[in-house]
Amino acid sequence: GIQVEQSPPDLILQEGANSTLRCNFSDSVNNLQWFHQNPWGQLINLFYIPSGTKQNGRLSATTVATERYSLLYISSSQTTDSGVYFCAVDPPFTGGGNKLTFGTGTQLKVEL
Amino acid sequence: DAMVIQNPRYQVTQFGKPVTLSCSQTLNHNVMYWYQQKSSQAPKLLFHYYDKDFNNEADTPDNFQSRRPNTSFCFLDIRSPGLGDAAMYLCATSRGPGAEQYFGPGTRLTVT
Repeated sequence: GIQVEQSPPDLILQEGANSTLRCNFSDSVNNLQWFHQNPWGQLINLFYIPSGTKQNGRLSATTVATERYSLLYISSSQTTDSGVYFCAVDPPFTGGGNKLTFGTGTQLKVEL
Repeated sequence: DAMVIQNPRYQVTQFGKPVTLSCSQTLNHNVMYWYQQKSSQAPKLLFHYYDKDFNNEADTPDNFQSRRPNTSFCFLDIRSPGLGDAAMYLCATSRGPGAEQYFGPGTRLTVT
């Protein structure tokens, strides 16, 4: 099956710093999503971004599908940004529905 | 305003005692998914329904079953929970193949 690797696995930032998280995947995909998992376990949708660039406030994401990677940019980080960031990909359609394969995750901690 | 609802949020069951987790959605999406997430791991797809069509992942244990009586509701049944089934169970929905998935808050299952 498709392999999805994220880097770095852990990241500690001072509040106000910027960061870039990376997601590499081993095959072509129909869909790529970025999620933030908060301390209570809920997965919050950040971006649906199979290709191109999107921005939402302090966050932006870029996916280069031909080179099989995606980047999530966090600017002016805040303590509420802490948690685990997952990218998840959906390989080409092979049956009913779409099936996300999650990456290994990046654990982010933002300190005062 | 809730879109994907899971009940209960926390569930404690005894070893071998059947348990049912519930998911409902107000999005009228065609596809509903169940994921299992163990501590410090990424979510892993167990199965999904595309309308009434059930799709089981090859490595999902027989101990796990699912029912979807109508578009809005989907249930996860664990017939004989073992200690290794303690995890967060996440329900998600999407409109269809390639579409964005939306997750509920999860049910954290403890097996004693």
